[in-house]
Amino acid sequence: EPEVTQTPSHQVTQMGQEVILRCVPISNHLYFYWYRQILGQKVEFLVSFYNNEISEKSEIFDDQFSVERPDGSNFTLKIRSTKLEDSAMYFCASSGPGTGELFFGEGSRLTVL
Amino acid sequence: AQSVSQHNHHVILSEAASLELGCNYSYGGTVNLFWYVQYPGQHLQLLLKYFSGDPLVKGIKGFEAEFIKSKFSFNLRKPSVQWSDTAEYFCAVSRPSLDSNYQLIWGAGTKLIIKP
Repeated sequence: EPEVTQTPSHQVTQMGQEVILRCVPISNHLYFYWYRQILGQKVEFLVSFYNNEISEKSEIFDDQFSVERPDGSNFTLKIRSTKLEDSAMYFCASSGPGTGELFFGEGSRLTVL
Repeated sequence: AQSVSQHNHHVILSEAASLELGCNYSYGGTVNLFWYVQYPGQHLQLLLKYFSGDPLVKGIKGFEAEFIKSKFSFNLRKPSVQWSDTAEYFCAVSRPSLDSNYQLIWGAGTKLIIKP
């Protein structure tokens, strides 16, 4: 069964460092998303991406964040200068046209020290 | 603003007990409704979804949910829970948009613990 894959599964970084989280969405999907879940809290929407551009983003997705689809298969989330409060599980998701169902990756746990 | 409310943050049940987890949403238009489950240490998985049609939706692992439009509710039920149902359950709502971009609005989640 097709699945969304994410790497790395866990990354530890120092505050102020840049981090790139990678996702490979399901191949025929057109819509891509990043969500995050701070430990013990609800899942929060960060950004959605369609047709090579951001279609929606939340207040959390400030100038420190960026997304890219560099090669037609990967979908990346970059955090330019990490802060302690960026520590969370980051989930990538993708969906096909008209389904409304998001398929999630297993998540990348980011720990900022 | 749209919101999704899950009434219980923590639920503890014994095996074989019946389960009902409440979910209410605030958006008045056409919605798609989802329940996702997150087992300990794992990623989010879809339990069931409602787009249209029969308001009683059956999902995996014996779960079902009923969409009651007049109450803006989509409660999750299971007649007899098992220890393996211990997980966190998230209700989510999306509204169809012209560009098919579905942003999910999430509830805060309900942590379910089943005592063996």
